[in-house]
Order: sequence, then C-alpha cells, then structure tokens
Amino acid sequence: GAVVSQHPSRVICKSGTSVKIECRSLDFQATTMFWYRQFPKQSLMLMATSNEGSKATYEQGVEKDKFLINHASLTLSTLTVTSAHPEDSSFYICSARPSNTGELFFGEGSRLTVL
Amino acid sequence: AQSVTQLGSHVSVSEGALVLLRCNYSSSVPPYLFWYVQYPNQGLQLLLKYTTGATLVKGINGFEAEFKKSETSFHLTKPSAHMSDAAEYFCAVSERGQKLVFGTGTRLLVSP
Repeated sequence: GAVVSQHPSRVICKSGTSVKIECRSLDFQATTMFWYRQFPKQSLMLMATSNEGSKATYEQGVEKDKFLINHASLTLSTLTVTSAHPEDSSFYICSARPSNTGELFFGEGSRLTVL
Repeated sequence: AQSVTQLGSHVSVSEGALVLLRCNYSSSVPPYLFWYVQYPNQGLQLLLKYTTGATLVKGINGFEAEFKKSETSFHLTKPSAHMSDAAEYFCAVSERGQKLVFGTGTRLLVSP
C-alpha cells in the first residue's frame, strides 16, 4: 500500500526555537496533505490542509504564523513550529492523498516536546 | 458540517469475546466513513472504509462494520477479540473525500 513517512519521529527542543517536521509520500504524488495534532489521550484535530503550489488552508483557531506549512512538491510537505513553547508539545501527524483517489494515508507521527 | 460521536471512551472485553465499538455520524451529504486503529506512539492505520455500494464492509484483522443510514451509524465489530487488538480506535467521516473529521476515540482493552 501507499506509504507516508514523517521525520523526525521524536524531537525535543528548547522553548523559543523552531522545529521543522517533514511529511513525504514515498510512492505516490500527493496534491493535498493534511496536518493533524493529537493531544495525549485525545482525538486528532485537523490543523491545516496543505495544497501543492499554493497556500495552506488553516482551520479556525490555528495560528498560521506559528505553524508554517510549505508544500513545495508533490511528495513533500513541511510543518514548522516557530518559536515553540511548552504548550506546543504534542503528537503531530500528517496524511496524504494520492491525486487520483480519496483514501488518506497517514504518517507515523512526530512527537514534539518543548522544554 | 460533519461530525462523529463515539460512545464509550473505553471498552473492555475478554479474549475471544465479541468486540463492538460504536460510532454515529452526522453529515449533510452521503458520507465516506472510516475506522482507524492507533497503537501507542504510532500513526493511524486504516482498518476499513465505506464509500459506496455494499453497506457491510470487511477490513483487516477480522474487523467489519456496517453502514446504517437510517441509524446514522457505522459500528465496528469483530467476532473474537485477540490480545493484539488492544489499541485506540477512531471512527472518522468525510464528505466526498474531503478532510476527515475524527471521533474522540475508543480505547479497547482486552483481558486474558
């Protein structure tokens, strides 16, 4: 089946620094990728929809200047958490959809811990 | 806007017993419905999905779900639980393949 890979799987950073998380579709092209955030023992909340070659669409309440999303190619989307604070600590999961189907494939997730 | 309700944040069963995880949805158009499983510190794995056609959907690991439009439900079942089934299960809905909206999840606990 289709594979979506996230990197890094775990990252620890100091408060005030920026962290970049990559999401790659390994065996298909994805015009659309989605970024989710999951708090401990809670469900996944959609943060933004990333469209190749255009600006991301953010969900209500998500700070676009804090969570920068770039979808520069059909196989790569990046999420940058800028000036991270402890409250940004969370599990971030991306998903991607092949151009010709509606099924979503999920990455393994990236756990961010901000000290 | 679509939404999903999963009844029961935790479900406990004995190994070999029937598994039933409940999911009700709300959608303004015919929905696509999904069940995902998540193991600790991992991403999500698709168990099964309903888009169109047969309302009884079979998935991986012996799971199945039935789409009941009249009840707006998409409950997940498995005839006989295994210890390896212990995980978090998420029901999700999308309107014609657009963004997924997830339920709050149900943790399945399986005892020997």
